Amino acid sequence: AQSVSQHNHHVILSEAASLELGCNYSYGGTVNLFWYVQYPGQHLQLLLKYFSGDPLVKGIKGFEAEFIKSKFSFNLRKPSVQWSDTAEYFCAVNAIGTDKLIFGTGTRLQVFP
Amino acid sequence: DAGVIQSPRHEVTEMGQEVTLRCKPISGHDYLFWYRQTMMRGLELLIYFNNNVPIDDSGMPEDRFSAKMPNASFSTLKIQPSEPRDSAVYFCASSSGPQGRETQYFGPGTRLLVL
Repeated sequence: AQSVSQHNHHVILSEAASLELGCNYSYGGTVNLFWYVQYPGQHLQLLLKYFSGDPLVKGIKGFEAEFIKSKFSFNLRKPSVQWSDTAEYFCAVNAIGTDKLIFGTGTRLQVFP
Repeated sequence: DAGVIQSPRHEVTEMGQEVTLRCKPISGHDYLFWYRQTMMRGLELLIYFNNNVPIDDSGMPEDRFSAKMPNASFSTLKIQPSEPRDSAVYFCASSSGPQGRETQYFGPGTRLLVL
């Protein structure tokens, strides 16, 4: 069965620090990949997505993610975080040919000024 | 567009009571999804509809849970009878295409507490 692992459950950073959140999936075939973000008190919204092409994907608010097929990974990065990036981040994977979108358990990011 | 609308935003009920959660998807979206979010299990898909028809309900935990979509602009998720372990945040989402190919737009969620 497909699964998505987000190993960092809780990350605490100071403003201007660099961020990398890990996401690994278990599926040998072609995948579509997503990162969603949930700001405090708000609903989930799409941060970025990868379907094909350049494995380095740029999203909103300065976030980017890199798809490394050989590592089954889609890590989220930001060079310099802000207090407003405090949120929960979810990685999600869709195996091509299926209609299921599998979410990871999420990573809670806290950024202190 | 107002986005996906869910009601109520918060629900506190006692064990054994019936709970009904409501969702209004974005107009024009023909896919609707119900999710449950807990600390232990993260975000789980319960059921999804396409053109008002339930396509996959394999995520529905047990017979106490049921979902309907009587028309393109309304869906309900019902728990009867409710149990404390049902306490979670329930999200509704809609999209213009299948899960893996189109962005899902989430509602604000219903925070359910069963005492």
